Amino acid sequence: GIQVEQSPPDLILQEGANSTLRCNFSDSVNNLQWFHQNPWGQLINLFYIPSGTKQNGRLSATTVATERYSLLYISSSQTTDSGVYFCAVTRPNDYKLSFGAGTTVTVRA
Amino acid sequence: SAVISQKPSRDICQRGTSLTIQCQVDSQVTMMFWYRQQPGQSLTLIATANQGSEATYESGFVIDKFPISRPNLTFSTLTVSNMSPEDSSIYLCSVQQGLGNTIYFGEGSWLTVV
Repeated sequence: GIQVEQSPPDLILQEGANSTLRCNFSDSVNNLQWFHQNPWGQLINLFYIPSGTKQNGRLSATTVATERYSLLYISSSQTTDSGVYFCAVTRPNDYKLSFGAGTTVTVRA
Repeated sequence: SAVISQKPSRDICQRGTSLTIQCQVDSQVTMMFWYRQQPGQSLTLIATANQGSEATYESGFVIDKFPISRPNLTFSTLTVSNMSPEDSSIYLCSVQQGLGNTIYFGEGSWLTVV
Protein backbone atom coordinates (compact mmCIF):
# COMPACT_ATOMS: atom_id res chain seq x y z
CA GLY A 1 0.00 0.00 0.00
CA ILE A 2 0.88 3.65 -0.12
CA GLN A 3 3.31 4.91 2.53
CA VAL A 4 2.69 8.22 4.28
CA GLU A 5 5.47 9.76 6.35
CA GLN A 6 5.04 12.82 8.51
CA SER A 7 7.71 14.97 10.07
CA PRO A 8 8.60 16.01 12.63
CA PRO A 9 6.93 13.52 14.98
CA ASP A 10 6.79 16.09 17.77
CA LEU A 11 6.90 19.86 17.79
CA ILE A 12 6.96 22.24 20.76
CA LEU A 13 6.20 25.87 20.01
CA GLN A 14 6.02 29.07 21.96
CA GLU A 15 2.77 30.90 21.45
CA GLY A 16 3.07 33.23 18.47
CA ALA A 17 5.67 31.14 16.64
CA ASN A 18 5.31 29.82 13.10
CA SER A 19 5.87 26.23 12.04
CA THR A 20 5.85 23.88 9.06
CA LEU A 21 4.68 20.26 9.09
CA ARG A 22 5.59 17.92 6.25
CA CYS A 23 3.86 14.92 4.68
CA ASN A 24 5.62 12.69 2.14
CA PHE A 25 3.76 10.00 0.24
CA SER A 26 5.09 7.16 -1.85
CA ASP A 27 2.67 7.05 -4.79
CA SER A 28 0.29 9.14 -6.85
CA VAL A 29 -2.77 10.32 -4.95
CA ASN A 30 -6.11 11.79 -5.88
CA ASN A 31 -7.03 12.89 -2.39
CA LEU A 32 -4.91 14.41 0.33
CA GLN A 33 -6.38 15.77 3.52
CA TRP A 34 -4.96 17.37 6.64
CA PHE A 35 -6.72 16.80 9.95
CA HIS A 36 -6.29 18.20 13.44
CA GLN A 37 -7.13 15.89 16.32
CA ASN A 38 -7.89 17.87 19.44
CA PRO A 39 -7.20 16.59 22.97
CA TRP A 40 -10.74 15.21 23.14
CA GLY A 41 -10.08 12.94 20.18
CA GLN A 42 -12.16 14.75 17.61
CA LEU A 43 -10.73 14.87 14.09
CA ILE A 44 -11.26 18.22 12.40
CA ASN A 45 -10.95 18.41 8.65
CA LEU A 46 -8.47 21.24 7.90
CA PHE A 47 -7.85 20.97 4.17
CA TYR A 48 -8.75 18.88 1.18
CA ILE A 49 -5.69 19.56 -0.97
CA PRO A 50 -4.58 16.98 -3.56
CA SER A 51 -2.63 19.76 -5.28
CA GLY A 52 -2.00 23.49 -5.07
CA THR A 53 -2.20 25.89 -2.16
CA LYS A 54 -5.02 26.82 0.19
CA GLN A 55 -5.33 29.13 3.14
CA ASN A 56 -7.77 29.24 6.02
CA GLY A 57 -7.02 31.90 8.58
CA ARG A 58 -3.68 31.22 10.24
CA LEU A 59 -3.35 27.86 8.52
CA SER A 60 -2.28 27.20 4.98
CA ALA A 61 -1.28 24.12 3.03
CA THR A 62 0.61 23.36 -0.15
CA THR A 63 0.73 20.07 -2.03
CA VAL A 64 3.25 19.41 -4.78
CA ALA A 65 1.77 16.25 -6.24
CA THR A 66 4.55 15.70 -8.77
CA GLU A 67 7.10 15.61 -5.96
CA ARG A 68 4.80 13.69 -3.60
CA TYR A 69 4.75 15.95 -0.60
CA SER A 70 2.50 18.35 1.22
CA LEU A 71 3.24 21.07 3.76
CA LEU A 72 1.01 22.49 6.47
CA TYR A 73 1.91 25.93 7.78
CA ILE A 74 0.79 27.23 11.15
CA SER A 75 1.37 30.94 11.67
CA SER A 76 1.14 32.89 14.93
CA SER A 77 0.43 29.66 16.82
CA GLN A 78 -2.03 29.63 19.70
CA THR A 79 -2.47 27.16 22.56
CA THR A 80 -5.65 25.94 20.86
CA ASP A 81 -3.49 24.71 17.97
CA SER A 82 -2.13 21.97 20.23
CA GLY A 83 -2.99 18.42 19.25
CA VAL A 84 -2.04 15.88 16.63
CA TYR A 85 -1.97 16.79 12.96
CA PHE A 86 -2.56 13.95 10.51
CA CYS A 87 -2.00 13.78 6.79
CA ALA A 88 -4.07 11.18 4.92
CA VAL A 89 -4.19 10.19 1.26
CA THR A 90 -6.09 7.99 -1.16
CA ARG A 91 -4.76 6.53 -4.36
CA PRO A 92 -6.57 6.95 -7.70
CA ASN A 93 -9.49 4.52 -8.06
CA ASP A 94 -9.43 3.86 -4.34
CA TYR A 95 -11.56 5.23 -1.53
CA LYS A 96 -9.52 4.18 1.47
CA LEU A 97 -7.63 6.79 3.40
CA SER A 98 -4.07 5.92 4.44
CA PHE A 99 -2.89 7.93 7.41
CA GLY A 100 0.52 9.11 8.43
CA ALA A 101 1.69 8.64 12.00
CA GLY A 102 0.92 12.25 12.83
CA THR A 103 2.80 15.24 14.23
CA THR A 104 2.10 16.08 17.87
CA VAL A 105 2.13 19.85 18.33
CA THR A 106 2.33 21.45 21.75
CA VAL A 107 1.95 25.23 21.92
CA ARG A 108 3.05 26.77 25.20
CA ALA A 109 1.73 30.06 26.52
CA SER B 1 -19.95 19.29 5.10
CA ALA B 2 -21.49 16.24 6.70
CA VAL B 3 -22.47 16.33 10.36
CA ILE B 4 -21.77 12.98 11.99
CA SER B 5 -22.94 12.02 15.47
CA GLN B 6 -21.59 9.05 17.39
CA LYS B 7 -22.89 7.37 20.53
CA PRO B 8 -21.59 6.70 23.08
CA SER B 9 -18.90 9.32 23.21
CA ARG B 10 -17.14 7.51 26.01
CA ASP B 11 -17.61 4.28 27.94
CA ILE B 12 -15.85 1.98 30.36
CA CYS B 13 -16.57 -1.66 29.61
CA GLN B 14 -16.01 -4.92 31.40
CA ARG B 15 -13.80 -7.55 29.85
CA GLY B 16 -15.79 -10.13 27.90
CA THR B 17 -18.77 -7.88 27.17
CA SER B 18 -19.82 -6.32 23.87
CA LEU B 19 -20.65 -2.71 23.03
CA THR B 20 -22.43 -1.24 20.03
CA ILE B 21 -21.44 2.16 18.70
CA GLN B 22 -23.94 4.14 16.66
CA CYS B 23 -23.16 6.56 13.86
CA GLN B 24 -25.77 8.93 12.45
CA VAL B 25 -25.17 11.22 9.46
CA ASP B 26 -27.28 14.25 8.61
CA SER B 27 -27.44 13.37 4.90
CA GLN B 28 -27.50 10.26 2.76
CA VAL B 29 -24.10 8.81 1.94
CA THR B 30 -23.09 5.76 -0.03
CA MET B 31 -20.07 4.69 1.95
CA MET B 32 -19.46 4.78 5.68
CA PHE B 33 -16.16 3.81 7.23
CA TRP B 34 -15.15 2.62 10.68
CA TYR B 35 -11.66 3.34 12.03
CA ARG B 36 -9.85 2.36 15.19
CA GLN B 37 -7.23 4.49 16.89
CA GLN B 38 -5.30 2.72 19.61
CA PRO B 39 -3.65 4.86 22.30
CA GLY B 40 -0.86 6.99 20.88
CA GLN B 41 -1.31 5.54 17.40
CA SER B 42 -2.62 6.63 14.05
CA LEU B 43 -5.93 5.58 12.55
CA THR B 44 -6.52 2.15 11.06
CA LEU B 45 -9.46 1.30 8.82
CA ILE B 46 -11.58 -1.52 10.22
CA ALA B 47 -14.19 -1.85 7.49
CA THR B 48 -16.27 -0.13 4.84
CA ALA B 49 -20.04 -0.31 5.19
CA ASN B 50 -22.35 0.02 2.19
CA GLN B 51 -26.10 0.04 2.55
CA GLY B 52 -27.70 -3.22 1.55
CA SER B 53 -24.55 -5.32 1.50
CA GLU B 54 -22.14 -6.89 3.93
CA ALA B 55 -19.31 -4.76 5.19
CA THR B 56 -15.87 -5.15 3.67
CA TYR B 57 -13.24 -5.78 6.34
CA GLU B 58 -9.57 -4.89 6.21
CA SER B 59 -6.81 -7.35 6.92
CA GLY B 60 -6.66 -8.13 10.61
CA PHE B 61 -10.32 -7.40 11.31
CA VAL B 62 -13.10 -10.01 11.22
CA ILE B 63 -16.86 -9.85 11.24
CA ASP B 64 -17.22 -12.01 14.35
CA LYS B 65 -15.22 -9.51 16.38
CA PHE B 66 -16.52 -6.30 14.74
CA PRO B 67 -20.00 -6.91 13.30
CA ILE B 68 -21.34 -3.92 11.39
CA SER B 69 -24.85 -3.01 10.35
CA ARG B 70 -25.88 -0.49 7.69
CA PRO B 71 -29.68 -0.47 7.58
CA ASN B 72 -30.02 2.77 5.59
CA LEU B 73 -28.05 5.57 3.96
CA THR B 74 -27.69 7.69 7.11
CA PHE B 75 -26.96 5.18 9.88
CA SER B 76 -24.49 2.47 10.82
CA THR B 77 -23.45 0.56 13.91
CA LEU B 78 -20.20 -1.11 14.90
CA THR B 79 -20.17 -3.71 17.65
CA VAL B 80 -16.98 -4.55 19.49
CA SER B 81 -17.52 -8.09 20.71
CA ASN B 82 -16.04 -10.03 23.63
CA MET B 83 -13.87 -7.09 24.56
CA SER B 84 -10.41 -7.32 26.04
CA PRO B 85 -8.14 -4.51 27.29
CA GLU B 86 -6.43 -4.51 23.86
CA ASP B 87 -9.70 -3.19 22.40
CA SER B 88 -9.34 0.02 24.40
CA SER B 89 -9.31 2.60 21.61
CA ILE B 90 -11.09 5.47 19.99
CA TYR B 91 -13.51 4.18 17.37
CA LEU B 92 -14.40 6.66 14.64
CA CYS B 93 -17.08 6.69 12.01
CA SER B 94 -16.45 8.57 8.77
CA VAL B 95 -18.15 9.33 5.46
CA GLN B 96 -17.21 10.61 2.04
CA GLN B 97 -18.99 13.65 0.76
CA GLY B 98 -18.61 16.65 -1.43
CA LEU B 99 -15.54 17.97 -3.24
CA GLY B 100 -13.27 15.13 -4.27
CA ASN B 101 -15.11 12.80 -1.90
CA THR B 102 -13.69 14.59 1.13
CA ILE B 103 -13.67 12.42 4.24
CA TYR B 104 -15.39 13.65 7.40
CA PHE B 105 -15.24 12.09 10.86
CA GLY B 106 -17.58 11.79 13.78
CA GLU B 107 -16.53 12.86 17.26
CA GLY B 108 -15.26 9.38 18.09
CA SER B 109 -16.17 6.87 20.78
CA TRP B 110 -13.56 6.36 23.52
CA LEU B 111 -13.75 2.83 24.86
CA THR B 112 -11.79 1.67 27.88
CA VAL B 113 -11.92 -2.03 28.69
CA VAL B 114 -11.15 -3.03 32.27
